[in-house]
Amino acid sequence: EPEVTQTPSHQVTQMGQEVILRCVPISNHLYFYWYRQILGQKVEFLVSFYNNEISEKSEIFDDQFSVERPDGSNFTLKIRSTKLEDSAMYFCASSEGWAVYNSPLHFGNGTRLTVT
Amino acid sequence: QQPVQSPQAVILREGEDAVINCSSSKALYSVHWYRQKHGEAPVFLMILLKGGEQMRHEKISASFNEKKQQSSLYLTASQLSYSGTYFCGTERDGTSYGKLTFGQGTILTVHP
Repeated sequence: EPEVTQTPSHQVTQMGQEVILRCVPISNHLYFYWYRQILGQKVEFLVSFYNNEISEKSEIFDDQFSVERPDGSNFTLKIRSTKLEDSAMYFCASSEGWAVYNSPLHFGNGTRLTVT
Repeated sequence: QQPVQSPQAVILREGEDAVINCSSSKALYSVHWYRQKHGEAPVFLMILLKGGEQMRHEKISASFNEKKQQSSLYLTASQLSYSGTYFCGTERDGTSYGKLTFGQGTILTVHP
């Protein structure tokens, strides 16, 4: 069964550094997402992306964050000048259609980001 | 607004049943259910649409009560593999562009 793959599985960075989290969505999916989960808490929406544009973003997704689809397969999340509170598990997800149209999100296994 | 899940935790013996509820104070368009095992990604279970039918995934079923703005997940004859945290994700309308607002999760533990 096709799956969403994320790299790296664990990233440790120092406060103030930039990190790029990488994702390869399922190949025939057109809609991409980033969610995050702070340890022991709920999964939170960051951003959705379609047709090389951000479709929706949450209040968490400020100027510190950016997303990009640099080629036909990768989808990246860049976090500039990381803060301690950015430490979390970051999940990439993809779907065939928008979730509202009965299209489930397929999540990757996540990248655990630790900011020290 | 974040949906509220109840109970926060459930402990079962294999073969027992459980119900997990997901409630919203605002009108919902759809409710999505996911299960997450420790250290793993959330896995899709089912979607309930406004006006839609009750859905089923193996021995797990769910319903959506529009009047109450509440979805219930029914786990029948629980198996050890059902253990995990169950999240409901909600959409307010048809223009949310994939933004699911998740509840805080219900931890389900099934013992032999």
